[in-house]
Amino acid sequence: KNQVEQSPQSLIILEGKNCTLQCNYTVSPFSNLRWYKQDTGRGPVSLTIMTFSENTKSNGRYTATLDADTKQSSLHITASQLSDSASYICVVSARGSQGNLIFGKGTKLSVKP
Amino acid sequence: DAGITQSPRHKVTETGTPVTLRCHQTENHRYMYWYRQDPGHGLRLIHYSYGVKDTDKGEVSDGYSVSRSKTEDFLLTLESATSSQTSVYFCAISDRWAESSGNTIYFGEGSWLTVV
Repeated sequence: KNQVEQSPQSLIILEGKNCTLQCNYTVSPFSNLRWYKQDTGRGPVSLTIMTFSENTKSNGRYTATLDADTKQSSLHITASQLSDSASYICVVSARGSQGNLIFGKGTKLSVKP
Repeated sequence: DAGITQSPRHKVTETGTPVTLRCHQTENHRYMYWYRQDPGHGLRLIHYSYGVKDTDKGEVSDGYSVSRSKTEDFLLTLESATSSQTSVYFCAISDRWAESSGNTIYFGEGSWLTVV
């Protein structure tokens, strides 16, 4: 069964610190992996998209990595800000799946002053 | 931000009544999707559309129907609302299939539905 697992479920860090969120997937055949940020009460917003051949993708202070061999991805947030408090969702797409994305349950990040 | 408007944003309805949620886009994207988001679950696909009058079922389509008579509008109908359909509903759009790596999938702001 195609699945996406994220860890940790929740994380609290101090403003200015770095953190790394994890995503493991069992989706096959793999097409691409996306990271989204979802603020409370809002819709998800795209951060990065990576294909099989891409190892790293950055978007400002967000850097996503992908290891297609081990089926793992991580999202690294550098110099965190209060506005980074949100849920971060890993989303994987399988080839031939058309509209069906597989969403992780998300990691809820709280950045404290 | 992509031009996606969901309406209503919040609704409380009674069990057994029909409910229609509307998604309106101004991006002229071909593909539109309806997802639901529940605690303890990732977003799950209800229905999707790949063109005007072209729709198909997603993972959790039971109890839902959709229609797309114009490129810009995608309607989700709960034919007879049940408490299990209390959820947050998100519309999404893309200009290529979701599996395509070259596109961004944009989400609306959500519709909070409570069935009592």
